[in-house]
Amino acid sequence: DAGITQSPRHKVTETGTPVTLRCHQTENHRYMYWYRQDPGHGLRLIHYSYGVKDTDKGEVSDGYSVSRSKTEDFLLTLESATSSQTSVYFCAISELDRATEAFFGQGTRLTVV
Amino acid sequence: GENVEQHPSTLSVQEGDSAVIKCTYSDSASNYFPWYKQELGKGPQLIIDIRSNVGEKKDQRIAVTLNKTAKHFSLHITETQPEDSAVYFCAEGNQGGKLIFGQGTELSVKP
Repeated sequence: DAGITQSPRHKVTETGTPVTLRCHQTENHRYMYWYRQDPGHGLRLIHYSYGVKDTDKGEVSDGYSVSRSKTEDFLLTLESATSSQTSVYFCAISELDRATEAFFGQGTRLTVV
Repeated sequence: GENVEQHPSTLSVQEGDSAVIKCTYSDSASNYFPWYKQELGKGPQLIIDIRSNVGEKKDQRIAVTLNKTAKHFSLHITETQPEDSAVYFCAEGNQGGKLIFGQGTELSVKP
């Protein structure tokens, strides 16, 4: 498995609270991504990063922010969690700027009650 | 916007039979088409991919075909085994490394 660690693996939080998910990689890959997975929707891109402090929005970015202060860490923050953000979140990494294999972490199951 | 349609959503086959999953895409600029397998409780893992300058690629029991004119690509698994049971995702990609995924197909191989 590629060296990707997501934390926490499971979290239950209350509506309106802030939540931060962490993705840590040991591969020194330049590109990092956050996806969410929901039944019937496959995986949808939330935000991605193409370098330290360089991030951009994906197709479902509303309600989420990200930060990347180091090559190895990519943080996803839900500023005020809502029930619609209950999902499984996956971090992925890739090496090149052209479309190529993305390696995925094990996922974080987030439940907002 | 960019979109990938994947069919069927569920597929049940007998062990030893073949399985075919199909995807269509909308972005004519896409040049990379990977297939991922996701087992329960795990992240997706690449099983095969194809680039736009190739029409077919094979790796043991798995093959992928691409028709750029029609904008569709397919995954073929022959001689299916129970361990092939999983959720399979197709995706499309181009510059920038971002991938657009299909909705997924849950494959069940019955012994």
